[in-house]
Amino acid sequence: EAAVTQSPRNKVAVTGGKVTLSCNQTNNHNNMYWYRQDTGHGLRLIHYSYGAGSTEKGDIPDGYKASRPSQENFSLILELATPSQTSVYFCASGDYREVYAEQFFGPGTRLTVL
Amino acid sequence: GDSVTQTEGLVTLTEGLPVMLNCTYQTIYSNPFLFWYVQHLNESPRLLLKSFTDNKRTEHQGFHATLHKSSSSFHLQKSSAQLSDSALYYCALHMGYKLTFGTGTSLLVDP
Repeated sequence: EAAVTQSPRNKVAVTGGKVTLSCNQTNNHNNMYWYRQDTGHGLRLIHYSYGAGSTEKGDIPDGYKASRPSQENFSLILELATPSQTSVYFCASGDYREVYAEQFFGPGTRLTVL
Repeated sequence: GDSVTQTEGLVTLTEGLPVMLNCTYQTIYSNPFLFWYVQHLNESPRLLLKSFTDNKRTEHQGFHATLHKSSSSFHLQKSSAQLSDSALYYCALHMGYKLTFGTGTSLLVDP
């Protein structure tokens, strides 16, 4: 069974503070993704990675950085958090060997920036 | 650029009635690949079904959809709604290992 976990599950941060969201997958997938989910906008891609050491900008990368130190781990970093980054964040993984691969999502992290 | 447009907002149905959630797309690719993901309350999105070739129907868990390149559509259908179908449904366009999602359609099935 595919397994993507995220931590923390809930986070309250202050404006201007640094926030790190972590994702771990045991699927041995090369590709990993970070999305945010907002009502009226759906799921939007922030950053993604093709493997350890690689990060790519998605559709809405401004204000976010990503880090992929290993096959299993992919982090999303908010250096200076703002209230507009209050959202639910999902991590996902996918198998690069299958061109039209299904993405497996983690349980999500609810972030509130005050 | 590439985009996905879905039935907006909330669709409310009575149990037993047919379901149809619209999805249209725009892309420069001549062979688009579309997905439907479903997200139940307090859960994460999961794959419901995915397209195959043009005009070929795909089915899963009672839902079905057909990719029509002529109309750039991949509508989700089910013959009879169940209470457990209440969820948020996303149509997504595959673009080189990335997905572009629509804004989602919430389906609420009433008894």
